[in-house]
Amino acid sequence: GAVVSQHPSRVICKSGTSVKIECRSLDFQATTMFWYRQFPKQSLMLMATSNEGSKATYEQGVEKDKFLINHASLTLSTLTVTSAHPEDSSFYICSARGRDTSRFLYGYTFGSGTRLTVV
Amino acid sequence: GENVEQHPSTLSVQEGDSAVIKCTYSDSASNYFPWYKQELGKRPQLIIDIRSNVGEKKDQRIAVTLNKTAKHFSLHITETQPEDSAVYFCAAGRFAGGTSYGKLTFGQGTILTVHP
Repeated sequence: GAVVSQHPSRVICKSGTSVKIECRSLDFQATTMFWYRQFPKQSLMLMATSNEGSKATYEQGVEKDKFLINHASLTLSTLTVTSAHPEDSSFYICSARGRDTSRFLYGYTFGSGTRLTVV
Repeated sequence: GENVEQHPSTLSVQEGDSAVIKCTYSDSASNYFPWYKQELGKRPQLIIDIRSNVGEKKDQRIAVTLNKTAKHFSLHITETQPEDSAVYFCAAGRFAGGTSYGKLTFGQGTILTVHP
């Protein structure tokens, strides 16, 4: 089955620094990547949707200059949290959709998530 | 946009009992309804899904029912086991043309506890 590899699994950074989170699709081409944020004991909230080679579409209330998304290839999408602050501490998780070489469609394949702590 | 409401927020049952979680959605164009199980610190795992052209789907101890007219769908777990304890999320989405998938909107989640 399809696998999305997400790294790092945990990161602690100082306030004001930037953090990059990577999601790679294995054995299929991720034409679309969804990025979610999940605060403790809360639901997954969609932050943005990115299509390969296009600019990401951000949900209302999500600052596009703070959460930079790059989806330059069919197997890699990145989320960079710029000038991170303690309130950005959360669980970030990606979800990819796309097709493999047999054109089998994978709807929503989740990465393993990244626990970001800003101190 | 889509809005998904999920109830109850917590559910406690005895091993062997059934558990039912309900969700309502607002966008009548939504036609894909997955259910996910999430353990602490882990990724959501798809346990069952249903499309709007079907009213019910079953997979062993898990079943999902969909009422398109009322815009609600439910998860049914029978013969619950302690390992079923987790957070369950419903979601709703729309096929973005053909067989491709659009974005998902998640419910608030239900913490299911199964007591031995």
